[in-house]
Amino acid sequence: QVQLQESGPGLVKPSQTLSLTCTVSGGSINSGDYSWSWIRQSPGKGLEWIACVQYSGTIYYNPSLKSRTIISVDTSKRRFSLKLTSVTAADTAVYYCARYSMFYYHAMDVWGQGTTVTVSS
Amino acid sequence: QSVLTQPPSVSAAPGQKVTVSCSGSSSSIGKNFVSWYQQFPGTAPKLLIFDTNKRPSGIPDRFSASKSGASATLGITGLQTGDEADYYCGTWDSSLDSWVFGGGTKLTVL
Repeated sequence: QVQLQESGPGLVKPSQTLSLTCTVSGGSINSGDYSWSWIRQSPGKGLEWIACVQYSGTIYYNPSLKSRTIISVDTSKRRFSLKLTSVTAADTAVYYCARYSMFYYHAMDVWGQGTTVTVSS
Repeated sequence: QSVLTQPPSVSAAPGQKVTVSCSGSSSSIGKNFVSWYQQFPGTAPKLLIFDTNKRPSGIPDRFSASKSGASATLGITGLQTGDEADYYCGTWDSSLDSWVFGGGTKLTVL
């Protein structure tokens, strides 16, 4: 059974870069059947999709965050990563990684537990 | 402001039925599969409906969904207090080349 686990600093200073990693266990990150996404949820707010990456390197970004976002995949380490630059308090959120099933569910079928990131000096 | 529009809240009594609407556009819901997610406080979202109207294994048939044009609807029958959660719709937006979520709907079982 595939599991996803987010990791990274829980506190980031304003104007710095937020860096998170999602490690995939129990399944392959190399499969062309899936893409790998980051989603965030600000306190008391709804879900906001950030970006996704396929093992082939194909990437899609949320247009509103594209200029500050870098997503990448490291198949050798079975993980994918998110970098969000020039953060502000508005980037404080729970960050989730999720697997998107491209050909069966057409949905995010596996989610990590989420990691809380606070932007504060 | 979300690309997909959901009512902030819905409520109904135990045993009753409730529906949650999700309004999008011709390039989002009108063109792509819709999925629904259930989220309890402090936990990650869980896939509830995929491919617009299909349930993953383990999801009871009290949950159903449909789509008409650029709008989708989630239905829950035989409401239980354990169904109290936030519900989100989501789909791909072919114009934005981006996944989009609704703003979420809080279900209260009175």
